[in-house]
Amino acid sequence: AQTIHQWPVAEIKAVGSPLSLGCTIKGKSSPNLYWYWQATGGTLQQLFYSITVGQVESVVQLNLSASRPKDDQFILSTEKLLLSHSGFYLCAWSLDWGGSAEQFFGPGTRLTVL
Amino acid sequence: GEKVEQHESTLSVREGDSAVINCTYTDTASSYFPWYKQEAGKSLHFVIDIRSNVDRKQSQRLIVLLDKKAKRFSLHITATQPEDSAIYFCAAYTNSAGNKLTFGIGTRVLVRP
Repeated sequence: AQTIHQWPVAEIKAVGSPLSLGCTIKGKSSPNLYWYWQATGGTLQQLFYSITVGQVESVVQLNLSASRPKDDQFILSTEKLLLSHSGFYLCAWSLDWGGSAEQFFGPGTRLTVL
Repeated sequence: GEKVEQHESTLSVREGDSAVINCTYTDTASSYFPWYKQEAGKSLHFVIDIRSNVDRKQSQRLIVLLDKKAKRFSLHITATQPEDSAIYFCAAYTNSAGNKLTFGIGTRVLVRP
């Protein structure tokens, strides 16, 4: 069975500090991977997607970057956090490429920027 | 780009009744419409989807309808149960602008005993 793990579970960071969020998928080779951001009480916004190691496409510019250093790992980062980065970050994977397939979401990381 | 409007922000229904959530989209190239459920403080999980080559799909107590002409789709939860209480998100996929899944704002469904 496939499992998706995100770390950390929650983070409180200062404005201007760096950030690194991680996501790992086990039990599925070459998954398609996605990062989403959900503002408190808001909808989800797709940030990045990746179909293979080393390749990441940006969907929305929010002063964040993403990388896929391994087949089963997806990293979201920034060198300088903004207040507007607060929210819930979700990693997801799918079997088929593109948004036209069921996506399986991780438990999420709750980020508070002060 | 694609915009998805979810018309009901909250729905309160009595247990056993039906709940209907309506969404509209703007991009005629959208071809896939999933629904996700989010319970309080938790992540999302897939509920049901429909593709643009059909206009109706049912999975147990869930029915999705798609009207491509009106660019409208809806989720019908029949015979509601307390565990149906959650936030439901509709979404639309288009590859006309970079393989993007666009979500609605979410509808909070409360099933009253």
